[in-house]
Formats: sequence, structure tokens, C-alpha cells
Amino acid sequence: NAGVTQTPKFRVLKTGQSMTLLCAQDMNHEYMYWYRQDPGMGLRLIHYSVGEGTTAKGEVPDGYNVSRLKKQNFLLGLESAAPSQTSVYFCASSYPGLAGDNEQFFGPGTRLTVL
Amino acid sequence: GENVEQHPSTLSVQEGDSAVIKCTYSDSASNYFPWYKQELGKRPQLIIDIRSNVGEKKDQRIAVTLNKTAKHFSLHITETQPEDSAVYFCAASYNDYKLSFGAGTTVTVRA
Repeated sequence: NAGVTQTPKFRVLKTGQSMTLLCAQDMNHEYMYWYRQDPGMGLRLIHYSVGEGTTAKGEVPDGYNVSRLKKQNFLLGLESAAPSQTSVYFCASSYPGLAGDNEQFFGPGTRLTVL
Repeated sequence: GENVEQHPSTLSVQEGDSAVIKCTYSDSASNYFPWYKQELGKRPQLIIDIRSNVGEKKDQRIAVTLNKTAKHFSLHITETQPEDSAVYFCAASYNDYKLSFGAGTTVTVRA
């Protein structure tokens, strides 16, 4: 199993450009998440999904949109990139609370720079 | 929303010594407290977690303690080894899946 994968690994954008980050998981997990990681600020939840066709806002959703059309995929979109969105983006997935197992499995991350 | 504070931000210990990281949380409804470890350039990985109905949990050289009254929890690493060098994140949640993370602690184990 590949676990959680993210595409692309690196990307450089100019201010105002758009892009989509793709997250895929092959563990049949119901829940998926997008985080951003900035120095000194830990991991902050952008959006999450508790099942196919559902999405919800996290802690820092402004400037981002998401879609979960298929259970195994969770897409993060930036419609008009800003320098403040320069960050490392992590996708994660989990199976909800079965037998007390709440571990979130993270992807390898995408390093995004907005110039 | 939940606010998690983590201290210290950096920690340097001699190999073989113990390391302690402390976190406080604000939402008394939080009942799930995981700890994640992130090695340099790698993804975060769960190392241990605890629920609010348990005061302490151990797994080999790592342990976590929880004080619900004071709303704080701590990670203890004993007999530290070079492979323990990493960034450690605490988190809190009231529903098992929506995690609020602390800012992280960079642990360096000196040989």
C-alpha cells in the first residue's frame, strides 16, 4: 500500500496564479484533512472531510477551496495565490474511531512558494 | 475554538537524559490528546496518545501524563537517544478527529 500520497512535491507560483494540490489515500479511510505548516506555528487545519461528498472548514480556510468527489481523493485549490500562502501543505487521513484508533496518517507534504 | 500551547519551543538534552514537553489546552470538552513526531524533512507520525479517562500511558521509553483539572498534559522521553532528535507536536481534540496542534518542540539529543 502506498498510504497517503501528495502531488506535486514542490511548486512555485506567482501571485494571482491558481493551482490544485492532490491528495490520495489507499487505506479506505473516511476522514481526510488538509493542513499547512509554518515555522513556529505547528500544523493548522485548513479544511477537512468526513466522507465522500462532504467538506468542512478548519481553522484557516480563507483563500482555499476543497473537494472530495471520490473517497480516496481530497483536492485543495488555491484560486488566487498570495505570498502569505507560502507554506508546506500536508494531507492526512484517518479511520473514525474504530476500536479507539484515531491515528492520522500524513502524506509527504507539498512545499509551495508564492512569489 | 481550542487553543493549545506547547513549551518549550526548543530542548537540548544529553544522550541518556530525560526530556519533558508540556502542553496546555483551553477547551474543557477536549478528551483526546495525541503526540506526533516529525523528523527533519519527513511527515508527522503518531507516537502515543491518551484519552481523558486515563491519567498516564506508557510505551517503552515514552510516556504521557494528563491532568484534566489543570488542563495540561506532558510527554516524557527517558534514556534519550540520537534518533529521538525531531520536532514533537502535541494536539487536543473534543471529537477524536479535529485536532488542534501546539506550535511544536524541537528536541536535540547531544551525543
